[in-house]
Amino acid sequence: QKEVEQDPGPLSVPEGAIVSLNCTYSNSAFQYFMWYRQYSRKGPELLMYTYSSGNKEDGRFTAQVDKSSKYISLFIRDSQPSDSATYLCAMRVSGNTPLVFGKGTRLSVIA
Amino acid sequence: DAGVTQSPTHLIKTRGQHVTLRCSPISGHKSVSWYQQVLGQGPQFIFQYYEKEERGRGNFPDRFSARQFPNYSSELNVNALLLGDSALYLCASSFRGQWEQFFGPGTRLTVL
Repeated sequence: QKEVEQDPGPLSVPEGAIVSLNCTYSNSAFQYFMWYRQYSRKGPELLMYTYSSGNKEDGRFTAQVDKSSKYISLFIRDSQPSDSATYLCAMRVSGNTPLVFGKGTRLSVIA
Repeated sequence: DAGVTQSPTHLIKTRGQHVTLRCSPISGHKSVSWYQQVLGQGPQFIFQYYEKEERGRGNFPDRFSARQFPNYSSELNVNALLLGDSALYLCASSFRGQWEQFFGPGTRLTVL
């Protein structure tokens, strides 16, 4: 079993839809949880981060962490064609340990 | 401010050759990490350097090596290239290895 599991999709939604992206993990020592967005042939860009359990909102994006279920989510409201990208979840045990990534979910938002 | 820069952008090599990839971190950042991203997969950690010392190594063979220079730039070296080394190699910098890592655009290596 991989440490971080993420459905690779692809996921295709109409413009304006609410998108839900999810990851599960097996290492209960993970404390820091991140979502990165990666456009084609570019490096990952940090979107959201959460420490331990809870919710965090930033504009159209909401990140949720449920450590009891070892499950994290990213919600995108009012999705736009410019949101079309691969979304990677990542997590780490402490602030200076390596990031462990999921496979990424490829999202297409259709105008 | 310039972000993380990497060179070259693309590289084509043949099996058995050696390759050197370069990374310049964001100004003021002292930690550099290297990741390998195979097509369709998430990035996988290779090395972390902080203040010119290796602070972490992922599960990669000894053909992979790296170093960090006094100006905090870094090189990743891969010897005896295999077809399976074809990937996007990403460099990420952070101030002190703390959680927020900023990624460069990557170097796309193709091994024929």
